[in-house]
Amino acid sequence: EPEVTQTPSHQVTQMGQEVILRCVPISNHLYFYWYRQILGQKVEFLVSFYNNEISEKSEIFDDQFSVERPDGSNFTLKIRSTKLEDSAMYFCASWLGLGIEETQYFGPGTRLLVL
Amino acid sequence: AQSVTQLDSHVSVSEGTPVLLRCNYSSSYSPSLFWYVQHPNKGLQLLLKYTSAATLVKGINGFEAEFKKSETSFHLTKPSAHMSDAAEYFCVVSSMDTGRRALTFGSGTRLQVQP
Repeated sequence: EPEVTQTPSHQVTQMGQEVILRCVPISNHLYFYWYRQILGQKVEFLVSFYNNEISEKSEIFDDQFSVERPDGSNFTLKIRSTKLEDSAMYFCASWLGLGIEETQYFGPGTRLLVL
Repeated sequence: AQSVTQLDSHVSVSEGTPVLLRCNYSSSYSPSLFWYVQHPNKGLQLLLKYTSAATLVKGINGFEAEFKKSETSFHLTKPSAHMSDAAEYFCVVSSMDTGRRALTFGSGTRLQVQP
């Protein structure tokens, strides 16, 4: 069964450093998402991406964040200058985007720790 | 606007007894509702979904949920708990009518299963 994959599974970085989190969505899906889950808190929507542009973003997704689909298979989330409060589990998800099939399929997540 | 309230942050049951995880939603439009499960250090797995078809939805691992519009509820049940059911469960809503594809998560219910 097709699945969403994410790399790395864990990343430790120093405050102020740039990080890039990578995701490979399911191949025929059209919509891609990033969510995050700060330890002990609920999963929060960051951004959705369709047709090579951002279709929606939350107030969390400020100028330090960016997303890209560089090569037709990868979907990346870049944090330009990490802060301590960026420490969280980051989930990528993808959605077919056709018909009534609404399920978003999630990857296993990347646990980011900012020191 | 859409929101989800999970009424219990923790639920503890004995193995072999029924499970009930409660969820109420708020949505301006016809919602789609999901239950996702997260095992420790794992990603988010879809248990079941409601997308305006049958109101009683059956999912994986013996779970089911009933959509009750009059009560704005989507409670998750299982007749007999198994030790492997111990995990965090998230009730999730999305409203396609608004074009908002982003999922809104509840705060989660941690299910403990006692031997």
